[in-house]
Amino acid sequence: DTGVSQNPRHKITKRGQNVTFRCDPISEHNRLYWYRQTLGQGPEFLTYFQNEAQLEKSRLLSDRFSAERPKGSFSTLEIQRTEQGDSAMYLCASSLAQSTDTQYFGPGTRLTVL
Amino acid sequence: DAKTTQPTSMDCAEGRAANLPCNHSTISGNEYVYWYRQIHSQGPQYIIHGLKNNETNEMASLIITEDRKSSTLILPHATLRDTAVYYCIVNNAGNMLTFGGGTRLMVKP
Repeated sequence: DTGVSQNPRHKITKRGQNVTFRCDPISEHNRLYWYRQTLGQGPEFLTYFQNEAQLEKSRLLSDRFSAERPKGSFSTLEIQRTEQGDSAMYLCASSLAQSTDTQYFGPGTRLTVL
Repeated sequence: DAKTTQPTSMDCAEGRAANLPCNHSTISGNEYVYWYRQIHSQGPQYIIHGLKNNETNEMASLIITEDRKSSTLILPHATLRDTAVYYCIVNNAGNMLTFGGGTRLMVKP
C-alpha cells in the first residue's frame, strides 16, 4: 500500500453514460498525475496537477474528459458520454515536488464500458 | 516515445539473482533512471532510482554505467512474487513518466 487510494476499484458502465473516479494522494504530496493503461500496454500520461493548478494535459485527454483537484487535495477524473474505447485502467500517482520527485501509484480504477 | 530499450521478457530461477538490463543512450545530464514494476492488475510499484551512482535499497540494487547510457536492476534473490513487468524510465523530476513496453520477468521454481 503506497498511501495513494482510488475509488471505485472497478466500474462497469454502459456506453454513453458519465463516470467519475476519485484519487486521494499521499497527504503531503502536492503533485498529482493521472495515467491510463489499456490491456498489454504501459501506462500513458493523461494530466498533471501541482496543488490546484492543472499544469499539463495530454492529447489523449479529449474534451469528454475533465479532471479537477479542488483545494489541492483529492482529485476527480470525469468521463462524459463514455465509449467502448475508454475501457482501461485509470491510474493516479502522487509526488512531492523536490529534486527527485518520485511518483507513487494507487491501485487504479478499472473501467469497462459495455 | 520511451527513451529506453529493454528486453521483452526474461526468466529467472527462484532464489537466484535477476539482472534486468536497460539501455538509455540518449539520457541527458539531469535525467534520473527510475525503475517500476507492475504485478498483474495492480498499479505500478516504485522500486529504485538513481542519477549517477549505484544505489541499493531493501528491494533491489541499481547499477548505472559510468557513461550513464545503460543500467541494470538487480533483484538479489528472486522469489515467485517478483514475477512482474519491470519498467525502466528516464525522467526529469516533475515530468510525467513515459512507460515503454518493459521486461516481463518470470521467476520459475
